[in-house]
Amino acid sequence: GDSVTQKQGQVTLSEDDFLFINCTYSTTTYPTLFWYVQYPGQGPQLLLKVTTANNKGISRGFEATYDKGTTSFHLQKASVQESDSAVYFCALGTNAYKVIFGKGTHLHVLP
Amino acid sequence: EAAVTQSPRNKVAVTGGKVTLSCNQTNNHNNMYWYRQDTGHGLRLIHYSYGAGSTEKGDIPDGYKASRPSQENFSLILELATPSQTSVYFCASGDVGQNSDYTFGSGTRLLVI
Repeated sequence: GDSVTQKQGQVTLSEDDFLFINCTYSTTTYPTLFWYVQYPGQGPQLLLKVTTANNKGISRGFEATYDKGTTSFHLQKASVQESDSAVYFCALGTNAYKVIFGKGTHLHVLP
Repeated sequence: EAAVTQSPRNKVAVTGGKVTLSCNQTNNHNNMYWYRQDTGHGLRLIHYSYGAGSTEKGDIPDGYKASRPSQENFSLILELATPSQTSVYFCASGDVGQNSDYTFGSGTRLLVI
């Protein structure tokens, strides 16, 4: 069945460090891939979305590229700030009724 | 501004009691969803709906019922609350189609004692 894997439960960085959060997926269809961000005390909100048509999403300095060969959709940011501390979810949209979410990666950015 | 509003924000319930969590959306989305979020499990889908009058079981429906009386409103019902249902619950709405993203509410923190 369709699935999404985020193995990094927690990532701790210092300000201006490079961010890389790993996400891989499995599906037999042509997926739409999402990254959601959840700040403390809030619900998740869409960070960026990539479809098979555009392959790459960029938003607020974050970037993710859809790689069909490795079935990966990693999230990157060149220089993180303390305000980026949050939980990041990778998610998979298929032709079924629902989006499948990864377990989330808790990012702590130290000042 | 289109939004998803959940009530209450916090709830303490007794074991065996009935709990109703409410969700209202102004996005005019057909689909609505209830998730629970627990450490180590991420977001798990409890029930969802395609439109008024429809409810479908998600991945973890046991112990929960849902009701969608209108396009705007979607409720989650715990008929006999148990401590294992202590969690943070999120409602979301979304359009039809795999390219559609979700709009989430701010969550309801439920403690069952």
